[in-house]
Amino acid sequence: EAQVTQNPRYLITVTGKKLTVTCSQNMNHEYMSWYRQDPGLGLRQIYYSMNVEVTDKGDVPEGYKVSRKEKRNFPLILESPSPNQTSLYFCASSYFTGQAGANVLTFGAGSRLTVL
Amino acid sequence: EDKVVQSPLSLVVHEGDTVTLNCSYEVTNFRSLLWYKQEKKAPTFLFMLTSSGIEKKSGRLSSILDKKELFSILNITATQTGDSAVYLCAGTGANSKLTFGKGITLSVRP
Repeated sequence: EAQVTQNPRYLITVTGKKLTVTCSQNMNHEYMSWYRQDPGLGLRQIYYSMNVEVTDKGDVPEGYKVSRKEKRNFPLILESPSPNQTSLYFCASSYFTGQAGANVLTFGAGSRLTVL
Repeated sequence: EDKVVQSPLSLVVHEGDTVTLNCSYEVTNFRSLLWYKQEKKAPTFLFMLTSSGIEKKSGRLSSILDKKELFSILNITATQTGDSAVYLCAGTGANSKLTFGKGITLSVRP
């Protein structure tokens, strides 16, 4: 089954304790992206990657890191989490259609993170 | 900075009503407008619109894009309780970056 898998789905952690949220897709998609979703603010892009070893900042990258060493994986790293990073996180992927630009994202199920 | 604005932010209707959800956008190097439906989980894709005036239709849902006035609408006819969800629209711009609106919460009462 074609899917985006992210783990963990739920996590409660404490301020400053490094954590990684993994994301893996089995569709051979070039494009991958991380979003956070907060009440009243909608989905905001954190980082995206157009292919292996190519990553770029989205709208809210502060406090996050990513890497894209393999095409299928795009982990999100919080080096020193803070309470304002409490949020619902979505990983998503798609084919990178280049000129057409259309980006029909397939989303993972979401990871709810609470930082105390 | 790219911007997508949806309206209204929420609405409540009764089963059988028709609803129109609005989405306006200011996206540099605009390429497409996408609609997603989000129930208490990940967003799922509804429509992608790239050309003005061409209606996309799927069952009771339809959508159209106006690239001159920079907006799109999503229509749902004969609403059902299963249509209750948050509806997201997003504009695709440079580097295929999607900018999402804040979403419209639709509640359909029996």
